[in-house]
Amino acid sequence: AQKITQTQPGMFVQEKEAVTLDCTYDTSDPSYGLFWYKQPSSGEMIFLIYQGSYDQQNATEGRYSLNFQKARKSANLVISASQLGDSAMYFCAMRAYNQGGKLIFGQGTELSVKP
Amino acid sequence: DTAVSQTPKYLVTQMGNDKSIKCEQNLGHDTMYWYKQDSKKFLKIMFSYNNKELIINETVPNRFSPKSPDKAHLNLHINSLELGDSAVYFCASSQIPGSLSSGNTIYFGEGSWLTVV
Repeated sequence: AQKITQTQPGMFVQEKEAVTLDCTYDTSDPSYGLFWYKQPSSGEMIFLIYQGSYDQQNATEGRYSLNFQKARKSANLVISASQLGDSAMYFCAMRAYNQGGKLIFGQGTELSVKP
Repeated sequence: DTAVSQTPKYLVTQMGNDKSIKCEQNLGHDTMYWYKQDSKKFLKIMFSYNNKELIINETVPNRFSPKSPDKAHLNLHINSLELGDSAVYFCASSQIPGSLSSGNTIYFGEGSWLTVV
């Protein structure tokens, strides 16, 4: 069975500091992708970053980086230099390629950035 | 141009009514999805269509019926609405599910807030 776990329901970070949001996953499929999405209070789901299971390098997109540790089955999101606009719900998700491509989501982490 | 667009954004309706939510994507993707986000913010897939064919149908009551007239559209029709159907419904799209490409991201619409009273 596929599973994504986010153990931090809520996190606080000071503006301009870095923050790590935790995500662990479980799958028996050797081919999978890991995603992070941001959901601000307005409700839309914004794609942030993707890591494929065969990618050798950790993914980076601007201030976002994904700390992929395959042996530990973890895919933590690191946000550097936090901004007030980063306050939102963050979801980790996995897509196993023998499962019809569906995304399985974690419970989410609510991040609050303090000025 | 919005890549994945859903209408309506807000819908308030009475129990027992039938309603539809429409979704269109202009990304040229082959696969479209419906996800449901409950009051605790948990997101779960409901359906997936690949090139107008149903490929995923999670345990969803058969009051929910998706329809894909072409690969750019996936509509969700809900019969006999119940209080528990109140949720945010997200449409999404991507390229073919089997691709390992880093570009094979799933893009979401803005969500449709359904409230059943």
